[in-house]
Amino acid sequence: SQQGEEDPQALSIQEGENATMNCSYKTSINNLQWYRQNSGRGLVHLILIRSNEREKHSGRLRVTLDTSKKSSSLLITASRAADTASYFCATPGYSTLTFGKGTMLLVSP
Amino acid sequence: EAQVTQNPRYLITVTGKKLTVTCSQNMNHEYMSWYRQDPGLGLRQIYYSMNVEVTDKGDVPEGYKVSRKEKRNFPLILESPSPNQTSLYFCASSLGQVNQPQHFGDGTRLSIL
Repeated sequence: SQQGEEDPQALSIQEGENATMNCSYKTSINNLQWYRQNSGRGLVHLILIRSNEREKHSGRLRVTLDTSKKSSSLLITASRAADTASYFCATPGYSTLTFGKGTMLLVSP
Repeated sequence: EAQVTQNPRYLITVTGKKLTVTCSQNMNHEYMSWYRQDPGLGLRQIYYSMNVEVTDKGDVPEGYKVSRKEKRNFPLILESPSPNQTSLYFCASSLGQVNQPQHFGDGTRLSIL
């Protein structure tokens, strides 16, 4: 099954800095989704980018998609301590959604 | 409030004792699924359902059963739990099919002794 793989596995920054996470996947996709998971809690959908889109914004989030390189990036600008969480990319197949193993982001005050 | 509700949130039980984790959504979603999350392995899909009475295996279905008799409910059944099923479980649902944003429950932490 196709799978997103995030990079880096862990990222530690200071409040106010930007955080960039990358995702690579293996086969063609209809869309790519990003989710956030606070420690031990359920995943929360952040943003969906379609295969014919190159960039999408939502508040402090900016997602890019490069289908030729089969990669996506999630940028969080002006990070806050509350952004501390794990971030996952996910790629839908015909009937299943496959998640990467995630990037753990730690934002220190 | 739109939500996916799982019960119980935490359960410690013993090998072989049948258990059911319930999942209910109030958003009239067609697609529902179960995942387990394990350190180093990420989220893996156990079963999914595209609609009432339509279920199918995900990536790791062994040892699990599901049913979808009503649109809102999608229980996960462990007929004879074993220690390797100790994990954090999530139920999710979406309007339409899997390529739509998924709504997740808060998770069920199962410990099988």
